[in-house]
Amino acid sequence: AQKITQTQPGMFVQEKEAVTLDCTYDTSDPSYGLFWYKQPSSGEMIFLIYQGSYDQQNATEGRYSLNFQKARKSANLVISASQLGDSAMYFCAMREVLNQFYFGTGTSLTVIP
Amino acid sequence: KAGVTQTPRYLIKTRGQQVTLSCSPISGHRSVSWYQQTPGQGLQFLFEYFSETQRNKGNFPGRFSGRQFSNSRSEMNVSTLELGDSALYLCASSLAGALGDTQYFGPGTRLTVL
Repeated sequence: AQKITQTQPGMFVQEKEAVTLDCTYDTSDPSYGLFWYKQPSSGEMIFLIYQGSYDQQNATEGRYSLNFQKARKSANLVISASQLGDSAMYFCAMREVLNQFYFGTGTSLTVIP
Repeated sequence: KAGVTQTPRYLIKTRGQQVTLSCSPISGHRSVSWYQQTPGQGLQFLFEYFSETQRNKGNFPGRFSGRQFSNSRSEMNVSTLELGDSALYLCASSLAGALGDTQYFGPGTRLTVL
C-alpha cells in the first residue's frame, strides 16, 4: 500500500484565493511526522510546514496551514491568498520513527492571475 | 548558515560509465538522505546515512551505493550507468533523522546518461 497518496495531479487557483491540496497517509505507527514541501521549476525542494502526530493544534506557517485529521489519516495543505510565486509542485511526506521519508507523487499547482 | 550543497550540478555520462555525486550537509546535521527524482517515478528514496552508517535503504539495485564521512559529507556512486539512471539526484540533510527533524534539500545534481 502507498504510504502517501496525493490524488490531485494538477490544480488551478485564482490569485488571492485559497486552495487546499489533499494528502492522505497510511501508517500503523502512533508516532510519525508529516511534512509538506514545495518544488518550483528550478528543482530545489523547499520545506513548508511540519505536523507531528501528537500535536493537538493544526500547524501554521504564514500563509500555509496544515489541516490535520488524524482519524481520517489526512494532512491537507491549505494555502491562503495565493500568489503567482506559489505556482510549483507540492509534495506531502511522512516519516515514522527511525524510518525513511515517504513522499507522495505531488500536486502541480498553477496560480492564475 | 550555509545550506546543503551538491556537486556537480550537472553531469553527462555515457552508458556503462560510473559516476560519483557529492553532498555537503548543513553544518551540524548528521543525517543525509539521497533521492532519485524522475518525471515518471516521482521522488524515490535511495538511502539514508547517519554517523557514517547506512540506516535505511530504498529499493534500488546494488549499482547504487553511498557512504558518509566523519564530517557528515556524503557521496553517492552509480556504477555501470544505464539510460534509465538519467534523473535529478537530490540530497537532504537533517539534524539526526529523528521524527520531527526537518529534511533540508540541496539543489540537486542533474545526471544525463547518453
